[in-house]
Amino acid sequence: SAVISQKPSRDICQRGTSLTIQCQVDSQVTMMFWYRQQPGQSLTLIATANQGSEATYESGFVIDKFPISRPNLTFSTLTVSNMSPEDSSIYLCSVEDRPNYGYTFGSGTRLTVV
Amino acid sequence: AQSVTQPDIHITVSEGASLELRCNYSYGATPYLFWYVQSPGQGLQLLLKYFSGDTLVQGIKGFEAEFKRSQSSFNLRKPSVHWSDAAEYFCAVRYGGSQGNLIFGKGTKLSVKP
Repeated sequence: SAVISQKPSRDICQRGTSLTIQCQVDSQVTMMFWYRQQPGQSLTLIATANQGSEATYESGFVIDKFPISRPNLTFSTLTVSNMSPEDSSIYLCSVEDRPNYGYTFGSGTRLTVV
Repeated sequence: AQSVTQPDIHITVSEGASLELRCNYSYGATPYLFWYVQSPGQGLQLLLKYFSGDTLVQGIKGFEAEFKRSQSSFNLRKPSVHWSDAAEYFCAVRYGGSQGNLIFGKGTKLSVKP
């Protein structure tokens, strides 16, 4: 299965600032997914990133707040912009391991906004 | 809307006892079903998955799950729980024809008594 390197693993940020999270995959993948896991909650899909096209955002998430880049088939970034304490969460990237349709997740970025 | 339900928020079992974690999914053709485990401070690890074929699937760490289409269920089982199994367990579904993302249940936290 694919191996994902996600960084940073954690960060503490001041409100009003932005943080960019990176995910590097060791193989080429078509789609990458970004999830948010709020404290004590399940995973919620933020957006799907395809190489060469704009990311598709889920209801409740907007590009201005969570801009995503996907410059090639092995790399993606998620930026959390103009942060507030409500953005404190774990952010995870994921890829779909074809052809067996398994999914691999990055180790997550634990973000605390103060 | 497509959804996944894990009715048990928190389960406590004694070490050595058997375990069953419940998962139900909303109606959908050809669901792909997954169980993930998340230990404190760790990322998500795939325990097992079901795509087709034998409805009883074996996973890592001695876990198994049974797909029952008539009940829209995919319950996770383990005959003898070890203290190291204490973690959060997530059931997830990918529906055929979707853009490829997983839909997660809210999770079941497993505590193990010595």
